[in-house]
Amino acid sequence: DTGVSQNPRHKITKRGQNVTFRCDPISEHNRLYWYRQTLGQGPEFLTYFQNEAQLEKSRLLSDRFSAERPKGSFSTLEIQRTEQGDSAMYLCASSLDGRANTEAFFGQGTRLTVV
Amino acid sequence: AQKITQTQPGMFVQEKEAVTLDCTYDTSDPSYGLFWYKQPSSGEMIFLIYQGSYDQQNATEGRYSLNFQKARKSANLVISASQLGDSAMYFCAMSAYGNQFYFGTGTSLTVIP
Repeated sequence: DTGVSQNPRHKITKRGQNVTFRCDPISEHNRLYWYRQTLGQGPEFLTYFQNEAQLEKSRLLSDRFSAERPKGSFSTLEIQRTEQGDSAMYLCASSLDGRANTEAFFGQGTRLTVV
Repeated sequence: AQKITQTQPGMFVQEKEAVTLDCTYDTSDPSYGLFWYKQPSSGEMIFLIYQGSYDQQNATEGRYSLNFQKARKSANLVISASQLGDSAMYFCAMSAYGNQFYFGTGTSLTVIP
């Protein structure tokens, strides 16, 4: 197992375009999280899944953002009509279950630049 | 609501010395976990250490230890015998009932040779 995998690692897009990121969690993990991190800040929660069910979404997740985890394995995060303010590192993490003592393992992130 | 506060934007430590990175938290949930992550310049978040709210003893993992003071709601990370490779951002995080993780703003640690 190679850990949490995110693709692409870097994405440059023009304002107004749609982008989609993919996250492959550690295979036996049923929790999957998406976070956004801007320079000099800690990760901000966007959404998380328990298997295929999306359990919580942050108010940061505007209607331009949508996330799916159709079969409870990999997940995609789509941003429609990108804006310059969407430029950030998008981090995916997974954990084994929802117990409080379970650490989350992070991928290397997708760095989005909107020009 | 949960909140994590890290008040040290940047810290310097001499190689081979120990350093303490501060973290305070706020939650009304009785069951929660406290975590420390390291983020090198490459961007990946590396899990370092975990402390449960009901744990009686402070957690230790190699050169990392967590100074947990529940009454003060603090969970400071102590790194002993600092190495050059310890230079990175360090984030304190909390999860209540295994839900989303809340992160602080981080502390940038620089180890001086």
